Amino acid sequence: AQSVTQLDSQVPVFEEAPVELRCNYSSSVSVYLFWYVQYPNQGLQLLLKYLSGSTLVKGINGFEAEFNKSQTSFHLRKPSVHISDTAEYFCAVKQLTGGGNKLTFGTGTQLKVEL
Amino acid sequence: DAGVTQSPTHLIKTRGQQVTLRCSPISGHKSVSWYQQVLGQGPQFIFQYYEKEERGRGNFPDRFSARQFPNYSSELNVNALLLGDSALYLCASSLATYDTGELFFGEGSRLTVL
Repeated sequence: AQSVTQLDSQVPVFEEAPVELRCNYSSSVSVYLFWYVQYPNQGLQLLLKYLSGSTLVKGINGFEAEFNKSQTSFHLRKPSVHISDTAEYFCAVKQLTGGGNKLTFGTGTQLKVEL
Repeated sequence: DAGVTQSPTHLIKTRGQQVTLRCSPISGHKSVSWYQQVLGQGPQFIFQYYEKEERGRGNFPDRFSARQFPNYSSELNVNALLLGDSALYLCASSLATYDTGELFFGEGSRLTVL
């Protein structure tokens, strides 16, 4: 079984400031890692994913994340946020094999960008 | 190209009633998954279907059932509704069941049980 912990339920930040949203996971098997964003009253949109290879992955809208196997973390970062980045962000994991397409999500981090 | 479409977008039911939610995947996608997102929580996996067969089931009671049709669209049924079933129900499609897990989500059906 897998579990995902997003340590911060809310992160307030001023526009143009950098931000980091933290994600730690637990799994007895190898996993793929994902970050999804959910804007109000909408579904989930994939920001980025780590499958293999370079541990630094770049996604849409200027976001990037770094996979750290020893710390079982996959933190999301953006060097300069915009008002339009205000949304809920979910970290998720998927088993490499045997789990079908099942994603296990964290509880989410609400990013609020202020002027 | 159209994304994942879900209907209805909003609905209100009373305890004990039954509800059917519908999902049309992206054209060419053969796998459909259902997730329940309770307010303030992350989505929880309910079912995955691929080629009309159930390929995965989450920890939900038997009141929850689903099926996939030959055109790959899907329905989620919930019987004997409880207040705790109030949630956003998300449908996601993907090309296959064994791919790298990129799911494309619809905007959801928001169910309120009174």
